[in-house]
Amino acid sequence: KQEVTQIPAALSVPEGENLVLNCSFTDSAIYNLQWFRQDPGKGLTSLLLIQSSQREQTSGRLNASLDKSSGRSTLYIAASQPGDSATYLCAVLDGGSQGNLIFGKGTKLSVKP
Amino acid sequence: NAGVTQTPKFQVLKTGQSMTLQCAQDMNHNSMYWYRQDPGMGLRLIYYSASEGTTDKGEVPNGYNVSRLNKREFSLRLESAAPSQTSVYFCASRNRDRAYEQYFGPGTRLTVT
Repeated sequence: KQEVTQIPAALSVPEGENLVLNCSFTDSAIYNLQWFRQDPGKGLTSLLLIQSSQREQTSGRLNASLDKSSGRSTLYIAASQPGDSATYLCAVLDGGSQGNLIFGKGTKLSVKP
Repeated sequence: NAGVTQTPKFQVLKTGQSMTLQCAQDMNHNSMYWYRQDPGMGLRLIYYSASEGTTDKGEVPNGYNVSRLNKREFSLRLESAAPSQTSVYFCASRNRDRAYEQYFGPGTRLTVT
């Protein structure tokens, strides 16, 4: 059974710092991996999607990488800002294109001014 | 283009009462999903509908029923609410044309007393 783990569960950094959030999964046979952002009391916003054939995706200050063979993905946030404070969730699409997303429990990020 | 919409945003029920959570998407997606999010448990799949006219159980279907009314709408029904169903409920839809990227609604916060 696929399991997704995110470490650390919480992270506090000063503004301006570059940071890395980690996601690991137990079964490398994934179709894609998606990173989401969730603000308190809100829904999930899709940040980046990496297909299984890709190694990374970039959007602005965000860069996500995928190493399927080792079952790992990282989300790199450059020059962090207080507005980046949120919970970041990683999810893998398991069981082929018709499978379902399996979520990690998230990393709660706090960026201090 | 409103994306995925959910009603109501908040609801308080007494044990044994019934209610239906509504979800609609205007992105012409085939697949739709219902999740619940609980502290410490992450997001768990309740039911999904791969296409209009089909529904399937997810990880935690007990106590729920669903209806895929048409391609746009997917409702979740609690027939006899229990305190264990206190949670935040999210509806999502998936885009086959964008590597199966999943989009979420804003959520319904349900309390059962």
